Amino acid sequence: DAKTTQPNSMESNEEEPVHLPCNHSTISGTDYIHWYRQLPSQGPEYVIHGLTSNVNNRMASLAIAEDRKSSTLILHRATLRDAAVYYCIVKETSGSRLTFGEGTQLTVNP
Amino acid sequence: KAGVTQTPRYLIKTRGQQVTLSCSPISGHRSVSWYQQTPGQGLQFLFEYFSETQRNKGNFPGRFSGRQFSNSRSEMNVSTLELGDSALYLCASSTRTSGGTDTQYFGPGTRLTVL
Repeated sequence: DAKTTQPNSMESNEEEPVHLPCNHSTISGTDYIHWYRQLPSQGPEYVIHGLTSNVNNRMASLAIAEDRKSSTLILHRATLRDAAVYYCIVKETSGSRLTFGEGTQLTVNP
Repeated sequence: KAGVTQTPRYLIKTRGQQVTLSCSPISGHRSVSWYQQTPGQGLQFLFEYFSETQRNKGNFPGRFSGRQFSNSRSEMNVSTLELGDSALYLCASSTRTSGGTDTQYFGPGTRLTVL
């Protein structure tokens, strides 16, 4: 799987938008971009995924650069419950294997 | 639908013993993957089973093994436990999305402590 680069940590204030960046310059044409998050003392949780176009769901939005070498996870209004480690993963189409990096620790201040 | 369940949630063993962990996937999911999470190494892929066959394997020694049953339930076994095997073991079941990629749903994990 392609390697990803994320900031180690980010901070946000409650009810403000959060933009979590991810670089994946070695992504191939058929690789998907997945985001998962892990809240304290829980297993990882699927957030969103995309291939080329921007994607929205009830949890977040995913903005993918035109060259696909980077992407941004957008939380529109951060809540305290969004404090977690966010993992950006570039995944091949076949199989279920996820290769986790170190992720970004998001802190949300009240 | 019920989520992924893992049993037991906590386990304490001593070096040299063996352990079996169990995972029940979400109903209808045929793929089950196992991951190990430690503070030093982070989340690492162990193996994946699909329709009772190992489809993918991570870089772990042969002491780590698994299997999947016809009802998609899975077990992983670690023999001759070492102190370094202390970790959170996570199971995930997955389903293919309409877009052609898999989405994984993780269980709460089994916390294994080796003394």
